Amino acid sequence: NAGVTQTPKFRILKIGQSMTLQCTQDMNHNYMYWYRQDPGMGLKLIYYSVGAGITDKGEVPNGYNVSRSTTEDFPLRLELAAPSQTSVYFCASSYSTFSLTNEKLFFGSGTQLSVL
Amino acid sequence: TQLLEQSPQFLSIQEGENLTVYCNSSSVFSSLQWYRQEPGEGPVLLVTVVTGGEVKKLKRLTFQFGDARKDSSLHITAAQTGDTGLYLCARSSSNTGKLIFGQGTTLQVKP
Repeated sequence: NAGVTQTPKFRILKIGQSMTLQCTQDMNHNYMYWYRQDPGMGLKLIYYSVGAGITDKGEVPNGYNVSRSTTEDFPLRLELAAPSQTSVYFCASSYSTFSLTNEKLFFGSGTQLSVL
Repeated sequence: TQLLEQSPQFLSIQEGENLTVYCNSSSVFSSLQWYRQEPGEGPVLLVTVVTGGEVKKLKRLTFQFGDARKDSSLHITAAQTGDTGLYLCARSSSNTGKLIFGQGTTLQVKP
């Protein structure tokens, strides 16, 4: 089992460029998430999805877009990259929601993005 | 507020020492999770605590959930260099059912 796979591992963007961070999972999980991690700030939720065709905003969605056309894939799109989006991005998945069960998150290994 | 405050933010110790890190909130939560994140990797779940006063052990790691379910601690006995990493606590949001993370404690264990 590959689990959650993210690509690329590293990327440098110029201000105003766009890019898509790829995320795929092979565990047949319904729920998928995108987090960003800044030094000393923990993990902040950007967007999440409860199933194919359904997405919703998290704590810090501005400047990002997502889509969920299949259960396996949950790409994150940056349209006009800004220096404030320099961060480490993590994709994660879980089988169900945390409000009902003691679920756990499975994380990818992250994408380190620098916007210069 | 459902914020989680972790302390200390950074801890540097020698191999063999003991340490405790804390996770606190002003509100009661139904359960809490601890994750460990190694450099260049995503966080990995260590434990979930559910019952007030609960104590769970994972080899040299001891996790405790406060009686009032507002705080939790992680104690490491005889730390090893392999314990180096970022320790994150997380709770589910009562509004959204999504996980909310603390800011983390960075642990450095020197040989």
